Amino acid sequence: EIVLTQSPATLSLSPGERASLSCRASQSVSTYLAWYQQKPGQAPRLLIYDASNRATGIPARFSGSGSGTDFTLTISNLEPEDFAVYYCQQRYNWPRTFGQGTKVDIK
Amino acid sequence: VQLVESGGGLVQPGGSLRLSCAASGFTFTTYSMNWVRQAPGKGLEWVAYMSPGGGTIVYYADSVKGRFTISRDNAKNSVYLQMNNLRAEDTAVYYCARDAGDRGYAFDFWGQGTVVTVSS
Repeated sequence: EIVLTQSPATLSLSPGERASLSCRASQSVSTYLAWYQQKPGQAPRLLIYDASNRATGIPARFSGSGSGTDFTLTISNLEPEDFAVYYCQQRYNWPRTFGQGTKVDIK
Repeated sequence: VQLVESGGGLVQPGGSLRLSCAASGFTFTTYSMNWVRQAPGKGLEWVAYMSPGGGTIVYYADSVKGRFTISRDNAKNSVYLQMNNLRAEDTAVYYCARDAGDRGYAFDFWGQGTVVTVSS
């Protein structure tokens, strides 16, 4: 099983700042990595697939990068609605696995 | 696209429950489907996968293998999760999620979830 480790666990930032979230895989997943956003009481929402492709309707301030074992989700110019928990997930093999999440909260 | 789960509830340890997910707004038979769960206050855990069409390919998380069964009824645009021999650690919100297929094979649409509580 591929283990995904996200860091930091919590990121405290102010609106307008830039957020950088890390996801590290226990073995290479090529570029087969996705990012999701989840707000309290809501289902997750797909943001990025295959490491760097924005899903339909996702604003350009969300960007993904990386390959192999190291990935980054960047949110430039944080908006109030961006404060949430973010998860990475790999589709390189079965079982599909998620990271434990990074919470972006308001400083 | 809409996914609506149902069938959750309170069940005793060792009991069974069948979750349903009704899909609309897309050609259901051409998409793989998944179940993903989230224990209270915890992260996301993928549970099960079924391939499109006849659903001949299935995968399960080790934590549920042998106890849970995923199935689909394309005539009813629905996917199901039969859960047997339930344990306290199966308590979670259960989401069905569509697999995006050749657009990245990520989970591109999710239902609102149904709550399963396993307790005596």
